[in-house]
Amino acid sequence: DSGVTQTPKHLITATGQRVTLRCSPRSGDLSVYWYQQSLDQGLQFLIQYYNGEERAKGNILERFSAQQFPDLHSELNLSSLELGDSALYFCASSVGTSGFIATQYFGPGTRLLVL
Amino acid sequence: AQTVTQSQPEMSVQEAETVTLSCTYDTSENNYYLFWYKQPPSRQMILVIRQEAYKQQNATENRFSVNFQKAAKSFSLKISDSQLGDTAMYFCAFIATFGNEKLTFGTGTRLTIIP
Repeated sequence: DSGVTQTPKHLITATGQRVTLRCSPRSGDLSVYWYQQSLDQGLQFLIQYYNGEERAKGNILERFSAQQFPDLHSELNLSSLELGDSALYFCASSVGTSGFIATQYFGPGTRLLVL
Repeated sequence: AQTVTQSQPEMSVQEAETVTLSCTYDTSENNYYLFWYKQPPSRQMILVIRQEAYKQQNATENRFSVNFQKAAKSFSLKISDSQLGDTAMYFCAFIATFGNEKLTFGTGTRLTIIP
């Protein structure tokens, strides 16, 4: 158990809908990262938050957004869902101290299926 | 931009044998970290081992060790005395020390341990 929690574990929804994925980082970790794992794209970095502020952005679609709250949990919002958004979405967390690369620990993932 | 290449999509080995998974990467950075993550059938991403590029000594964690060749940009993982629980996808990942803290993953190697 990495200490990172994600809910829900599974999500089935229809095209055009909006969903919210939630992540709680390990105790003491300030950075949260979101990754998408799909069959055709592999594991891709979406976005990072550090202590409530967006720090880095990857190949995140405009239909997707995220935020990190004062208690450090994070939410990834996916809207206008398309079939191609079906994937496993991981959250990871790290201490995230500037200038030092801490190991990222991954949550169990949320499996999203868009029908 | 960094790229990570894992040229072995699948491997299999008898239980108790030793196996080596290959990984090469391309970067213009001089300061970075490399990781191996394991993804068993449960889909959880589990850290196996971490290597700091500035360290000449190869990292080891129990039965897992790496052969880090910085000049060749090679980072292979050796699993000794392989066990059935080692059956998983193995991903090599790169992160630059400075810049955005995203992990860049290879496409993975599916390892099967045969009883």
